[in-house]
Amino acid sequence: DIQMTQSPSTLSASVGDRVTITCRASQSISRWLAWFQQKPGKAPKLLIFEASVLEGGVPSRFSGSGSETDFSLTINSLQSDDFATYYCQQYTHYPLTFGGGTKVEIK
Amino acid sequence: EVRLVESGGGLVQPGGSLRLSCAASGFTLSNSWMGWVRQAPGKGLEWVANINQDGNEKNYVDSVKGRFTISRDNAENSLFLQMNSLRAEDTAMYYCARVRRASYTLFDYWGQGTLVTVSS
Repeated sequence: DIQMTQSPSTLSASVGDRVTITCRASQSISRWLAWFQQKPGKAPKLLIFEASVLEGGVPSRFSGSGSETDFSLTINSLQSDDFATYYCQQYTHYPLTFGGGTKVEIK
Repeated sequence: EVRLVESGGGLVQPGGSLRLSCAASGFTLSNSWMGWVRQAPGKGLEWVANINQDGNEKNYVDSVKGRFTISRDNAENSLFLQMNSLRAEDTAMYYCARVRRASYTLFDYWGQGTLVTVSS
């Protein structure tokens, strides 16, 4: 199985900050990586796929990068609506696997 | 508008069974792979199973193989998850998710989930 390791597990930031979350795969997944945002009591929402392609309707302050085993999600100028938990997921090999999540909280 | 609505969750004793349903609307179900993803209380996301468009290809996470069965009824716009021999560790919110067309595995829309609690 491919293990997905996210860091940090929690991130404290202020509105307007630039934040970066990293995700590492235990083996190469090319660019078959997605990022999801989840708010409490809600379903996950697709933000980015193929490592860097922004899903329709997602603000441009979100961006993704990386390939093979190392990936990152950056939020430029954090907004109040962005405080949530973020998950990476590889979708190239079964079993599909998610990172452990990064909670972005208000400093 | 794509809409996925899960139902069928509840409290069940260890060893018991439960059948989850997912009603799909706003798209043609028969065009999409579909899947189930679960989330234990306070924990992260775990993929459970996927099924192809006509239901003859299915994939499962090892921990549910032989106990859970994913199925679909395209005519009824529905996805199902039959869960047998339930264990405490199966306690979770279960989400139904659509796989994007031209993909086999990228989840692009999720339902709001149905809660399964396995406890005596």
